[in-house]
Amino acid sequence: DAGVIQSPRHEVTEMGQEVTLRCKPISGHNSLFWYRQTMMRGLELLIYFNNNVPIDDSGMPEDRFSAKMPNASFSTLKIQPSEPRDSAVYFCASSSGGDSRYFGPGTRLTVT
Amino acid sequence: KNEVEQSPQNLTAQEGEFITINCSYSVGISALHWLQQHPGGGIVSLFMLSSGKKKHGRLIATINIQEKHSSLHITASHPRDSAVYICAPGGGADGLTFGKGTHLIIQP
Repeated sequence: DAGVIQSPRHEVTEMGQEVTLRCKPISGHNSLFWYRQTMMRGLELLIYFNNNVPIDDSGMPEDRFSAKMPNASFSTLKIQPSEPRDSAVYFCASSSGGDSRYFGPGTRLTVT
Repeated sequence: KNEVEQSPQNLTAQEGEFITINCSYSVGISALHWLQQHPGGGIVSLFMLSSGKKKHGRLIATINIQEKHSSLHITASHPRDSAVYICAPGGGADGLTFGKGTHLIIQP
């Protein structure tokens, strides 16, 4: 099993640009989570899906952030427009039936 | 919102020592996760537990749901155990709330 796959692994973009982060969960997992990690705030939940349906998006910072899960094998997290304070590592994780979380390698985003 | 307190924040120990990391939280939950984040940044789930104790190799995790407290123990610590250990209360398919982590360094 390839584990959770995230792309890109690194993204550097200028303020105001649109950024799209991608995640492929482990096959058969029915829950998908997006997290953000910064030095100041640590790990935070942004949004999570069960069976492709968004369950809790209260952690999404503002309307500039949006997430979709069009099918069981793919999810995107979009930031438009991006700002320097969005610089962080974004992790995607998946799980099956509320079991342990499997984390992807993360996407390191730098907004200049 | 669940307030999560981990202690200690930083810990440096010698190889072979017994390590204990504590986690307290404010809101009752059905389960709790312990995560390990390697120096390279990758995150691995060590345990998910809802009662009692779990053991995996040299790692032991305990939880007391009534007292809202969990501990992670490392026996016969080794330099490769150096990492950040993060406590995350939250059960089932919940999104999890995270502690700020314990930075552990094991010196040879």
